[in-house]
Amino acid sequence: ETGVTQTPRHLVMGMTNKKSLKCEQHLGHNAMYWYKQSAKKPLELMFVYSLEERVENNSVPSRFSPECPNSSHLFLHLHTLQPEDSALYLCASSQFQGGEQYFGPGTRLTVT
Amino acid sequence: GENVEQHPSTLSVQEGDSAVIKCTYSDSASNYFPWYKQELGKRPQLIIDIRSNVGEKKDQRIAVTLNKTAKHFSLHITETQPEDSAVYFCAASMEFSGGYNKLIFGAGTRLAVHP
Repeated sequence: ETGVTQTPRHLVMGMTNKKSLKCEQHLGHNAMYWYKQSAKKPLELMFVYSLEERVENNSVPSRFSPECPNSSHLFLHLHTLQPEDSALYLCASSQFQGGEQYFGPGTRLTVT
Repeated sequence: GENVEQHPSTLSVQEGDSAVIKCTYSDSASNYFPWYKQELGKRPQLIIDIRSNVGEKKDQRIAVTLNKTAKHFSLHITETQPEDSAVYFCAASMEFSGGYNKLIFGAGTRLAVHP
């Protein structure tokens, strides 16, 4: 696998479930990002990790919990979500001061 | 915080025509302005970017212009082709000393190129 990969690609979960989204980058980048993409809304930055340290948390509800165990992996742990959390969740990575962010294919999440 | 406005939300052109998408940003400290293309069901992909120390950048049929004083930047696509049909997103950010950038995206422009 090359680039940025995400699993699962599709996820349906109930409001009481706990699930995790996984992102892996094979580019040797130092920063990783989580975005939420909802219909008819701009891409929203959720979290940023730089050198495995969380550096941005954009007022995201605590039912979303990120984890970055190393510079290649990023997780988004989900619990007690709401139907309005249904969206495409995109992971991205970038090189140290490189500018360009490379996106993964996303996880299409549906909360029932 | 930064806010990015993007217009138009939809754009329909005939093959061979030019397309222009415009964005404005609010934070004068922003210094990096990428444009992403997202085809249906696919990931956003960078097509061109510009930094605040230049006013224009071209890559074949695609060009971006930046007016720092007015805080707006534009994407120009010439000789459009049906495969240019997609949603285009502009973004603005600062590059932080921690080695990352915090992209704030516009709402997107759905471009349709008709044969």
